[in-house]
Amino acid sequence: SFELTQPPSLSVSPGQTARITCSGDALSKQYVYWYQQRPGQAPILAMFKDSERPSGIPERFSGSSSGTTVTLTITGVQAEDEAVYYCQSADPSRQSVVFGGGTKLTV
Amino acid sequence: EEQLVESGGGVVRPGGSLRLSCAASGFSFDDYGMSWVRQAPGKGLEWVSGINGNGAKTGYGESVKGRFTISRDNAKNSLHLQMNSLTAEDTAFYFCARQAEGLDAWGQGTLVTVSS
Repeated sequence: SFELTQPPSLSVSPGQTARITCSGDALSKQYVYWYQQRPGQAPILAMFKDSERPSGIPERFSGSSSGTTVTLTITGVQAEDEAVYYCQSADPSRQSVVFGGGTKLTV
Repeated sequence: EEQLVESGGGVVRPGGSLRLSCAASGFSFDDYGMSWVRQAPGKGLEWVSGINGNGAKTGYGESVKGRFTISRDNAKNSLHLQMNSLTAEDTAFYFCARQAEGLDAWGQGTLVTVSS
């Protein structure tokens, strides 16, 4: 089955670097998208096609890919970055969209 | 600026039906595929269904296949989700989202509660 695995939680101090991973066997062939969801708010797109940053997302957010793992990196974490981060990819065999379980980032 | 506004949520009894709508504005609606994504209280995101720009292609998550139907009315810039045979496991916030490079625009969601 098409699954995306994320660590449930990550805690970093302000100014440190946060690295959130998303793993899945299909990720060597499929792009990953990242969403940030603050409490009580709708998700927003934080990264697309593994490492492309949408307009409005701060430069401290970056993405990278290596084999079957994709990483969202936040360099110089700020208090406002505290949120749950979800990775997402596509399952072409089922023509469906799959989300990871989410990583709660605590700053 | 693109805007998506969901409506139609509420409380429904198990086995009942509900129709959600999403009103789109600020972009050329028929140029984009659209998706419904849900989130049970305190849980993660789950993709429910998607539809391409002209409505010819649709897809569903395994948990809703055969019970939910997605549709769109491009003349009215609206997206719909017909939900039948609802169970308690369908209780969630339902978001509509625009499909571009990822889901790049989201509504604020509408709450569906399935309870007797």
